[in-house]
Amino acid sequence: GQQVMQIPQYQHVQEGEDFTTYCNSSTTLSNIQWYKQRPGGHPVFLIQLVKSGEVKKQKRLTFQFGEAKKNSSLHITATQTTDVGTYFCAGRKSSASKIIFGSGTRLSIRP
Amino acid sequence: DAGVTQSPTHLIKTRGQQVTLRCSPKSGHDTVSWYQQALGQGPQFIFQYYEEEERQRGNFPDRFSGHQFPNYSSELNVNALLLGDSALYLCASSIRQGSDGYTFGSGTRLTVV
Repeated sequence: GQQVMQIPQYQHVQEGEDFTTYCNSSTTLSNIQWYKQRPGGHPVFLIQLVKSGEVKKQKRLTFQFGEAKKNSSLHITATQTTDVGTYFCAGRKSSASKIIFGSGTRLSIRP
Repeated sequence: DAGVTQSPTHLIKTRGQQVTLRCSPKSGHDTVSWYQQALGQGPQFIFQYYEEEERQRGNFPDRFSGHQFPNYSSELNVNALLLGDSALYLCASSIRQGSDGYTFGSGTRLTVV
């Protein structure tokens, strides 16, 4: 079945350092979404990427969708303590299909 | 504008019992998906409801069943509870033909003892 894998599992950075998480799917995706889950919270939708090679930015966050639509990345520039949480990618094979979540990357930050 | 509402927030059940979890979707949303999230893991897809029918299902046994009502709200039922069913159960709503992501509720923390 469809699998979505994320690396690394954990990342501990100094405040101000950059952070990147990578997502790989076993199948070609129709689109990919990114969510953030704060400790003790629920996933919150960040963004959706649809086009091959698409790059989107939200302030210090940069999201990329691979050319083959099987991988994606999230890069945070100059991390802040408010960035703490687990970042999940979630892919779907078609516009109406279920969304499969990756295992997530947990980001912790040293002040 | 209310987001996704789930009840109860916490629940403790004994092995073998049955449980019903409830979800009210965000206003304007017509599709409800249920996910199980074990500690430290990503959400695992259980099933999705649209137009009061189960449209897609993940790799969960028949002990997991659901329902969607005409007002789009939904229930998740789990029979013959096992210790391994202890998890956070998340409800997510969306628009069937929409391009936005899911809106998640705060979840129901189920503990089976």
